[in-house]
Formats: sequence, C-alpha cells, structure tokens
Amino acid sequence: DAMVIQNPRYQVTQFGKPVTLSCSQTLNHNVMYWYQQKSSQAPKLLFHYYDKDFNNEADTPDNFQSRRPNTSFCFLDIRSPGLGDAAMYLCATRNDRRLEETQYFGPGTRLLVL
Amino acid sequence: AQSVTQPDIHITVSEGASLELRCNYSYGATPYLFWYVQSPGQGLQLLLKYFSGDTLVQGIKGFEAEFKRSQSSFNLRKPSVHWSDAAEYFCAVGPYSGAGSYQLTFGKGTKLSVIP
Repeated sequence: DAMVIQNPRYQVTQFGKPVTLSCSQTLNHNVMYWYQQKSSQAPKLLFHYYDKDFNNEADTPDNFQSRRPNTSFCFLDIRSPGLGDAAMYLCATRNDRRLEETQYFGPGTRLLVL
Repeated sequence: AQSVTQPDIHITVSEGASLELRCNYSYGATPYLFWYVQSPGQGLQLLLKYFSGDTLVQGIKGFEAEFKRSQSSFNLRKPSVHWSDAAEYFCAVGPYSGAGSYQLTFGKGTKLSVIP
C-alpha cells in the first residue's frame, strides 16, 4: 500500500561525489515536491514539479537539480555534495486538480556525506 | 511572506495527561493550516488540516485543532496522551499561490516526550 516511495532510505556518499535520490508514487499525483530537512529543523522546500514544469525555490543552491521523467518518478541530483548537505530529504506529492488535497510525504532518504 | 512559529521546542507530558501544542502563523489572508507528525527517522504524516468552515477540526489519532483568526493561532490538542504519541509535531501554513496550488511553510517543530 506504499503510496510515496523513496529509495534508498539511507545513502552514504563521499564529499564531492554526485548522488541521486529517487522518489516514486502510485497516486498519479501531478505535483511532486522535494524538501530538505536538517537535524532538528523544519523541512525546507527545494523545488517542485507541477506536471512537467519545474519550479525552483529562489534560495535552492545550484548544486541541487531534479528530473521528472514521467508522472510516477522524480529524482533529486546533488552534483557535488558537501558536508552541509547531510540531511533527510523528503519527497511529497499532491493532486493539484482538487484544491483541498493535501501533500503526501514519503518516508525520506537520510543522506550522510563523508 | 508567510511564517509559522511554534514557541515550544520540547514538551514533556505524562501519559494520560492532556496536551496542547501551540502554533502561530503570519499571513495576509486566510491560510490553509496543517499539523503533521514525524516519528524518528520517518516521513511526515498528516494529522489534520483546516481550509475553511468549522474552526474546530478533528484529525486522526484523537487529535483536534482550533483555528482562531483573531489570535492567528492553530493550536493542536489531545485530551489524553498515549506513549505512542511521542514524536515531533510540525505546524504548517499553505497560502494559495494560484492555479489551485500551494506551497507549505513549516514551523520548527515541537518535540513531544511522554512519561509513562
């Protein structure tokens, strides 16, 4: 019954080594979001896809990129991870066709940068 | 710009006691308001939401929240806390941003500990 799936749940990478996090959904929602949540902090929106349209937050570093090849999948690419990028990365989806639909979150991927 | 304040970083209550978690928001119009819960190492689960209508909303797990426009508040309550309620709680505001869409701005969270 998993609706928003994130893989892997834990990811260890080396400083400067590109890494990709994956999110998939079985809800057929048209909007997909990526959030970064550092320890003991609130989730912070990085960007979102509204259908195929990419929407970047103004303060999201260029080091973070995203791809959405189809409705079901969305990827977060970190081109050169730094120590400060260690965090939990949360994917969320929403059916934007209905105004009162909420965001559904995945379990998150915890990224460790060595 | 919208903002959310959760004044209590950490709250400890005894099992069976009542609970109130505070949330204040800043936004120019009527916001969409949410409470999410996050267990350690897990994603966010929606407890309840307010879009319009009755200002007292019921959620899952016995939680409720009341929207008070005059106080810009959306406090979360539960009459009797269970040990399994220990988690981090996030209040969020989602202003309307056009085309039926909205973004979420989260508070910094309140960590709830429950004493047996």
